[in-house]
Amino acid sequence: AQKITQTQPGMFVQEKEAVTLDCTYDTSDQSYGLFWYKQPSSGEMIFLIYQGSYDEQNATEGRYSLNFQKARKSANLVISASQLGDSAMYFCAPLKGGSEKLVFGKGTKLTVNP
Amino acid sequence: DAGITQSPRYKITETGRQVTLMCHQTWSHSYMFWYRQDLGHGLRLIYYSAAADITDKGEVPDGYVVSRSKTENFPLTLESATRSQTSVYFCASRSGGTGHGYTFGSGTRLTVV
Repeated sequence: AQKITQTQPGMFVQEKEAVTLDCTYDTSDQSYGLFWYKQPSSGEMIFLIYQGSYDEQNATEGRYSLNFQKARKSANLVISASQLGDSAMYFCAPLKGGSEKLVFGKGTKLTVNP
Repeated sequence: DAGITQSPRYKITETGRQVTLMCHQTWSHSYMFWYRQDLGHGLRLIYYSAAADITDKGEVPDGYVVSRSKTENFPLTLESATRSQTSVYFCASRSGGTGHGYTFGSGTRLTVV
């Protein structure tokens, strides 16, 4: 089974500051994708951002960006200018090329302090 | 309304009973999935389906049965519920193709007593 590591069970950040959530994964595949999801306390799963292993540039979506380091097998999520509404669980999920089975890490709980 | 809907939102059942969780999507997405979420485990894939009448096991399929006679529906059945199946269950769908996100339902919180 694919191993996904989110080393930070909990993170705290001050409002308006940037924060980086770590994700590393164990794969021998050259072709794969990497998804990040947000789960607020209300429970829904919200798609944030996607990075393909062959994408030349790091993915960005508004305040979210990925620090993708293919050789290190890491895809860290960077949230700029944190807002109180960013407080949530964040899940990293790699997807093997040619597969549709999305596998999730155990998540990082982010708390944004005012 | 367009989207992916799960029912019921909450369910309490007794050990040994059969229970079915429903999932319906209006996009005609090819792929549908069932995950369970437990503290300390994140989301784990139970079963998935690539199309009507095509299903396959995920990480934790034991104790569960799925069917997909129509593209839009993907019910999950617990044939004889056990306390270890107390969890939050999420259904998801995806159209397929690189970069397309998986869209999740709101979840069903199942308690087996």
